[in-house]
Order: sequence, then C-alpha cells, then structure tokens
Amino acid sequence: DAGVTQSPTHLIKTRGQHVTLRCSPISGHKSVSWYQQVLGQGPQFIFQYYEKEERGRGNFPDRFSARQFPNYSSELNVNALLLGDSALYLCASSLAVGQGQPQHFGDGTRLSIL
Amino acid sequence: DQQVKQNSPSLSVQEGRISILNCDYTNSMFDYFLWYKKYPAEGPTFLISISSIKDKNEDGRFTVFLNKSAKHLSLHIVPSQPGDSAVYFCAASAWGNEKLTFGTGTRLTIIP
Repeated sequence: DAGVTQSPTHLIKTRGQHVTLRCSPISGHKSVSWYQQVLGQGPQFIFQYYEKEERGRGNFPDRFSARQFPNYSSELNVNALLLGDSALYLCASSLAVGQGQPQHFGDGTRLSIL
Repeated sequence: DQQVKQNSPSLSVQEGRISILNCDYTNSMFDYFLWYKKYPAEGPTFLISISSIKDKNEDGRFTVFLNKSAKHLSLHIVPSQPGDSAVYFCAASAWGNEKLTFGTGTRLTIIP
C-alpha cells in the first residue's frame, strides 16, 4: 500500500512569492496534518483537517492556509514567502481523530526561499 | 517553551547492546506519547506509542516506558542493530487535541 505522498519533493522560491504544497494520505485515512521542520528542531504543528473541516491550527501567521478535498487529499498554501519559511514541510495522515491513532508521515517537501 | 525535551542530542551504542533514549515533558495534559525514527531525506517513521493508562508497551525489539509522576518516558531498543542508526523523535498529544508536540530529537549511532 502506498504511504503518504507529497509533491513536489523540492521547491525553490523567492521572497514575496506564493507556494502550494500537496499531500495524498494513506488510503482510508481521513485526517491530514501539516508540520514545519527547520534544521535542528522537531516538526512544528501547522494545521489538522478531518473530513474537510479544520480541527486545529498551530502558532503560524495567516499567510499559512490549508484545505482538505473530498478525496481527503490536502493542500498547504503559503503567501508572501519570507526567508524564514525555508524548511521541510511534512504531511501526516491518520485513520481518524482521537487517541490511539498514530500519524504517519510523508517524506516532505523541502522549500528553499532565496 | 519547550514542552517536550530530549536532552541528549546524540548517543552512540555498540551493536548488540541496549539503546536507551530519553524524553521529558512538562505539560500534564499530555496523555498519548509516540516515538518516531527519521532517516535523512525521509519523513519520520512511526515506531511505537503508549497511552497514559499504561506504563509499558512492547513491540519486538522496541519497548517504551512511561513514568507519569516524573513526566518521563524512554525508548529501549534491544539488541541494537546498525539499521537503527537514525534520529529519534519523541512526541506527545493531549486528549481531544491530536496536534503532536515534538522534542528536538536524539541522533543514535550504532557502532558495528
């Protein structure tokens, strides 16, 4: 079975541009979460979606937005890119929400801002 | 405010011996804990989890221990194998809030 797939794998943008990252969850998984990982740190929570509804949002500015589609895939959008947005963006999926549901991660999108 | 702490940035262990990775947390609302392994250029891979109603959970060579009074958990890997060399992240969540809070990771190196 395919795991969580993310596209693109690498992306280079310049300051002020906009970016869209995409994620397909494991088949049957209805919850998708997004995390940002900068070098030397653990992943930081950005958003969680379940059944197309936002379930949680981390401490990120409004430049960050996301949505989940009827097929449970998801997009993360970042506007007005800053140098500090350079990071690995990870998508994770789980069967549902609630305890005992581990999140499974994709390999991420490496975003570099010049 | 680092709510999940992994105070050892790195650990080296001889092949065949036991590896013990430690994690401390400060948020008493956390009640579900997970360990992930991460290789370079890959996403974190789920290893094992434990709920706060338990103090131990085993899966093959991996055992996680939870000490709620000390707000401490540990991951034991025995016997350690070269393929275990990776960065290990501890993560936690609170009931009703599936957001994972991660530690900063421990780089484990298994010496052949």
